[in-house]
Amino acid sequence: GENVEQHPSTLSVQEGDSAVIKCTYSDSASNYFPWYKQELGKRPQLIIDIRSNVGEKKDQRIAVTLNKTAKHFSLHITETQPEDSAVYFCASSGTSGTYKYIFGTGTRLKVLA
Amino acid sequence: KAGVTQTPRYLIKTRGQQVTLSCSPISGHRSVSWYQQTPGQGLQFLFEYFSETQRNKGNFPGRFSGRQFSNSRSEMNVSTLELGDSALYLCASSGTGGVGTEAFFGQGTRLTVV
Repeated sequence: GENVEQHPSTLSVQEGDSAVIKCTYSDSASNYFPWYKQELGKRPQLIIDIRSNVGEKKDQRIAVTLNKTAKHFSLHITETQPEDSAVYFCASSGTSGTYKYIFGTGTRLKVLA
Repeated sequence: KAGVTQTPRYLIKTRGQQVTLSCSPISGHRSVSWYQQTPGQGLQFLFEYFSETQRNKGNFPGRFSGRQFSNSRSEMNVSTLELGDSALYLCASSGTGGVGTEAFFGQGTRLTVV
């Protein structure tokens, strides 16, 4: 069935360093890949997304890359700050024309000051 | 405009009881999806409603059901509650822009089954 694997499950980095989170999806029909950030006790919020016709997208310190052939996509955060500490979820759109998202199991990022 | 509103925020129920959760989407949004969030499992898709029709259903038992009203508000019902149903239940609403439109999440309803 549809599945998204996410690694690592936890990630600790020093403030100012970069962080990379990787996801692999199984459904070759997936065409939309959002990343959500969830702070403790809060709702998930979209931080960046990418569509299947684009290989890379950047928004300030955050970037996402997509390799459709390998069914991989990754989140890159540069110059990490303590406020980046949160759980990050990748997702893929399950089937076209609907809003069914298959989520990864999350990565807990800790930025050490 | 107002965000996605879920009620109640917290619930404590006993095994065997049933529960109904409510989700009011962002005004103008016609799609409402429901997810179960548990530690270590991430967000698992329950179902999606669009214009009062269920478009997709996840791999959950029939005890989990939902519906959507003409004003796009949605309810989710869980019957014969089990301890394993304890989780944060999130709903998300999306507009009508097709795939690739952001899904906005509510704060969630934390259900505890004792």
